[in-house]
Amino acid sequence: AQKITQTQPGMFVQEKEAVTLDCTYDTSDPSYGLFWYKQPSSGEMIFLIYQGSYDQQNATEGRYSLNFQKARKSANLVISASQLGDSAMYFCAMREAYNNNDMRFGAGTRLTVKP
Amino acid sequence: DTGVSQNPRHKITKRGQNVTFRCDPISEHNRLYWYRQTLGQGPEFLTYFQNEAQLEKSRLLSDRFSAERPKGSFSTLEIQRTEQGDSAMYLCASSLVTRGQGWETQYFGPGTRLLVL
Repeated sequence: AQKITQTQPGMFVQEKEAVTLDCTYDTSDPSYGLFWYKQPSSGEMIFLIYQGSYDQQNATEGRYSLNFQKARKSANLVISASQLGDSAMYFCAMREAYNNNDMRFGAGTRLTVKP
Repeated sequence: DTGVSQNPRHKITKRGQNVTFRCDPISEHNRLYWYRQTLGQGPEFLTYFQNEAQLEKSRLLSDRFSAERPKGSFSTLEIQRTEQGDSAMYLCASSLVTRGQGWETQYFGPGTRLLVL
């Protein structure tokens, strides 16, 4: 069964505007962690932000914030003030407590920032 | 540069040949992971090491694949008798796991892109 779903294969955003990348997940484990990674064309996966299932507040890291809606099982990434260098693939991933060595990734969203 | 490094970055081989990839994790990281990423997909977990011990292997890791981390530092991933379906990006990640910690962050290397002709 698909654990992580990213429904937007591609997204466009104007430079300096905000963009939301969607991620929904499926788990019956009450303890899990959600991660977002950026993958530029060079191939390296760059860690952006993390949210634990028991965290009370939404995670923020600079221009990145995670809109965590536990009841809806969604963990959307919000990028504020987009920059040209933000153009890349973005992957949502999850680790579950019962199987925490297996990080499951979604299929990714390709973000293109327009000047 | 103190990040995760992988060599080679690109490898082209003929079907049936053996290939070996190397991963050097961030120093002092005790966990090392291998992932495979095919075009248009997210990475898929293959195996991981805690220090020198290989603790888990995915069903994706067929008998033709073997991974080692002999001294708990660098790791190698070997594919024997390569097949065209092995063509993918092979990513390595490392992390530091400590007692009482929540979810540790995995830091990825640049990957090795394999093409099997």
